[in-house]
Amino acid sequence: DAGITQSPRHKVTETGTPVTLRCHQTENHRYMYWYRQDPGHGLRLIHYSYGVKDTDKGEVSDGYSVSRSKTEDFLLTLESATSSQTSVYFCAIRGDSAYGYTFGSGTRLTVV
Amino acid sequence: AQSVTQLGSHVSVSEGALVLLRCNYSSSVPPYLFWYVQYPNQGLQLLLKYTSAATLVKGINGFEAEFKKSETSFHLTKPSAHMSDAAEYFCAVSDSNTGKLIFGQGTTLQVKP
Repeated sequence: DAGITQSPRHKVTETGTPVTLRCHQTENHRYMYWYRQDPGHGLRLIHYSYGVKDTDKGEVSDGYSVSRSKTEDFLLTLESATSSQTSVYFCAIRGDSAYGYTFGSGTRLTVV
Repeated sequence: AQSVTQLGSHVSVSEGALVLLRCNYSSSVPPYLFWYVQYPNQGLQLLLKYTSAATLVKGINGFEAEFKKSETSFHLTKPSAHMSDAAEYFCAVSDSNTGKLIFGQGTTLQVKP
């Protein structure tokens, strides 16, 4: 979607290695979110941010950390990847409007 | 905490038949509600959203949804299914206090010729 990009789009990594996914926005939006999508579970919130250096946990935060040192970037880190973290990861942004969410195209992560 | 339940993980209809995808929500404050569609190997596309302006919300591709507070429901309908409607559909509720967007488990719609 315009204004939000995720990188990489695809990644294969080995168990135990660290992985960082990047979400970049050009909308200057305050809110940013990381979700994972798995069959039968829909999208589950991992972490979210409501401003620079302001982050909070979602419902499936174990094994993940995030950082937001500037408005435009929200990084998701898997400190030591496990096979259970194989998933599709989506980033989303939201401005001051309470209902104006925009999603990225997703990152497909495979942990082998 | 807010939550969303989608009734039926798989729904199958014939082409031309009514589509009805069910969504119930739980919220302690007036909610914002959304329906998203995801086609295979693609991202999420917003179908429609309820923002308290009107209880019957019309979206793209002929879909609409009705907000019923008494039933805590926001079911998605389309009068006549097309083959191109085959996809996964997600209902979501926004937490106005935290800004979190909470999703249901998803419903896969199959359209048979």
